[in-house]
Amino acid sequence: GAVVSQHPSWVICKSGTSVKIECRSLDFQATTMFWYRQFPKQSLMLMATSNEGSKATYEQGVEKDKFLINHASLTLSTLTVTSAHPEDSSFYICSAKGPRDVELFFGEGSRLTVL
Amino acid sequence: GQNIDQPTEMTATEGAIVQINCTYQTSGFNGLFWYQQHAGEAPTFLSYNVLDGLEEKGRFSSFLSRSKGYSYLLLKELQMKDSASYLCAVMDSNYQLIWGAGTKLIIKP
Repeated sequence: GAVVSQHPSWVICKSGTSVKIECRSLDFQATTMFWYRQFPKQSLMLMATSNEGSKATYEQGVEKDKFLINHASLTLSTLTVTSAHPEDSSFYICSAKGPRDVELFFGEGSRLTVL
Repeated sequence: GQNIDQPTEMTATEGAIVQINCTYQTSGFNGLFWYQQHAGEAPTFLSYNVLDGLEEKGRFSSFLSRSKGYSYLLLKELQMKDSASYLCAVMDSNYQLIWGAGTKLIIKP
C-alpha cells in the first residue's frame, strides 16, 4: 500500500516556541492531505484539509494563525504549531488520500509535549 | 447533525469471535471505513464498504446496510495483538470523513 511518513515522531518543546511537523507521501502524489489531533482516549479530530498549491481549509474552532499548514508540493505538507502552549500537547496525525482516492493512509503520528 | 455511534469498549476471549457495531447518520454517504489503532500509534486501514453486503478479508470482515445506516466489523480467531481501538468512519457527501469515537477492544487469554 501507499506509504505516508511523518516526522518527528516525538517532540518536546518549551512553551512559546514553534514546532514544525512534516508529512510526506513516499510513493505517490497526494494532492490532498489531512491533519488531525487526538487527545488521550478520544477519537481523531480533523483540524484542517491541506490542498497542494492552495490555502488549507480549517475546521471550525481551529486557529489558522496558530496552526500553519503549508502544502507546497505534491508529496509534502507541513504543520507548524506556533507559540506552543501546554494545552497544545497532543498526538498530531496526518493522512493522505491514496492513489485510488478512496483509502486514507496515515503517517506514524507526532506526539508533541509542550513544557 | 452528523453522528457516528459505536460502543466505547468491548471485551472478548482469545480465539473467539467479536462483532463491533457502528451506526451512522450523515449528510450523504460515500462509503464507510474501519480503521485499527493501537495505543500511541496512528490508525491503519482495515476495510472500506460502499455497497451493501459483507466484505471478507482474512480474519476480518465488514458488513454494511445503507438503508439501516449500520455496519459491523467482525473479527474471528481473536489474537492478543487484536487488542486495539477500532474506528468507524463515514465519508459524507462532501467527501469528508466523519469519525466515530472508537471502540476499545480488550482481548483476554
